[in-house]
Amino acid sequence: DQQVKQNSPSLSVQEGRISILNCDYTNSMFDYFLWYKKYPAEGPTFLISISSIKDKNEDGRFTVFLNKSAKHLSLHIVPSQPGDSAVYFCAASAGGTYKYIFGTGTRLKVLA
Amino acid sequence: SQTIHQWPATLVQPVGSPLSLECTVEGTSNPNLYWYRQAAGRGLQLLFYSVGIGQISSEVPQNLSASRPQDRQFILSSKKLLLSDSGFYLCAWSETSGNNEQFFGPGTRLTVL
Repeated sequence: DQQVKQNSPSLSVQEGRISILNCDYTNSMFDYFLWYKKYPAEGPTFLISISSIKDKNEDGRFTVFLNKSAKHLSLHIVPSQPGDSAVYFCAASAGGTYKYIFGTGTRLKVLA
Repeated sequence: SQTIHQWPATLVQPVGSPLSLECTVEGTSNPNLYWYRQAAGRGLQLLFYSVGIGQISSEVPQNLSASRPQDRQFILSSKKLLLSDSGFYLCAWSETSGNNEQFFGPGTRLTVL
């Protein structure tokens, strides 16, 4: 049972436009969420996180939105740059535990 | 600053051979340690995690095992590799308290032939 889902395996966006990556979850106990970026043949790198007590967290070009009632979060990248082309994973954990459940990833391609 | 090392970077092994992948973390004490696998076209699957020396939790039944002989060393092993063990193996660490992001190593690409 996939508790964290990224239903779009790939996304293409023009440089300078907004990229929106979506993530849905099923476990209502999840209360902390993260986004990671991964280049081929490298380990993922942490981008941004959000706690369930918030509905938005912003860091530079990256903003994460959390809709708890819909069990949905999204990552917005504005403006998108070619260097943002990578696979993006969302991850979730429950109750301060150290176990994260990762989604299957979305491959973002930013076109110059 | 903290760093995490994994080796080897790539590995090609025949079916039935043993496996040992090593992960070490520098610059922190008593980290939580994790092994993940990313199979081709799949997401990150948590295989094992450890909250201390000798403490290993397995997330999925499989052909692999993990050990933590030292505080900052995490080893992934197999006695006999299967074709299905091929994938990209990632080690990660996190602080032990509260919600903390995980920091990943560079990964090992394992191909079982």
